[in-house]
Amino acid sequence: ETGVTQTPRHLVMGMTNKKSLKCEQHLGHNAMYWYKQSAKKPLELMFVYSLEERVENNSVPSRFSPECPNSSHLFLHLHTLQPEDSALYLCASSQDGRGDYGYTFGSGTRLTVV
Amino acid sequence: QKEVEQNSGPLSVPEGAIASLNCTYSDRVSQSFFWYRQYSGKSPELIMSIYSNGDKEDGRFTAQLNKASQYVSLLIRDSQPSDSATYLCAVDNNAGNMLTFGGGTRLMVKP
Repeated sequence: ETGVTQTPRHLVMGMTNKKSLKCEQHLGHNAMYWYKQSAKKPLELMFVYSLEERVENNSVPSRFSPECPNSSHLFLHLHTLQPEDSALYLCASSQDGRGDYGYTFGSGTRLTVV
Repeated sequence: QKEVEQNSGPLSVPEGAIASLNCTYSDRVSQSFFWYRQYSGKSPELIMSIYSNGDKEDGRFTAQLNKASQYVSLLIRDSQPSDSATYLCAVDNNAGNMLTFGGGTRLMVKP
């Protein structure tokens, strides 16, 4: 596989469920990101990991919990979500934790909270 | 004030015309600027990057940067229906370690 892969592609969960989103990058990058994209809103940065350390938590509610076990894998653990959390969740990676060369995005997980 | 601003559109152009997409940003020390294309239901795809004032051409795409005016634009020549998508402008922050995205401009190219 190449690029950035995200699973699952679609997820429907109840407000009391616990689920996890997975992201894997095959580009040799050492920074990874979670973004949220809601309808008619700009991409919102959620979390940044550089060299497996979290360097940014953009005031995200604690019901979203990231995990970065190594530079190739990133998870977003979800629990007790709200309907307004329904959105497209995008993972991205970059080289050297810098935006200088842009990001490569995964295909995203379309999340629906019911 | 939004950090990166774009007209949401839709911008409608006929096939074969030049589409002009604009973006303004607020952080004067930003050094790296990007244009992403996002088809409906898909993830953003990097199409252009620009770092210096002036024009940068890549095929039918030209990015233009004016740091003094804090303005970056994307021109698409000979627009095709397949260019119909939302175009996102992204700007690095003053630490250079993350990108801020505009809300995107929806482009519609009519046959």
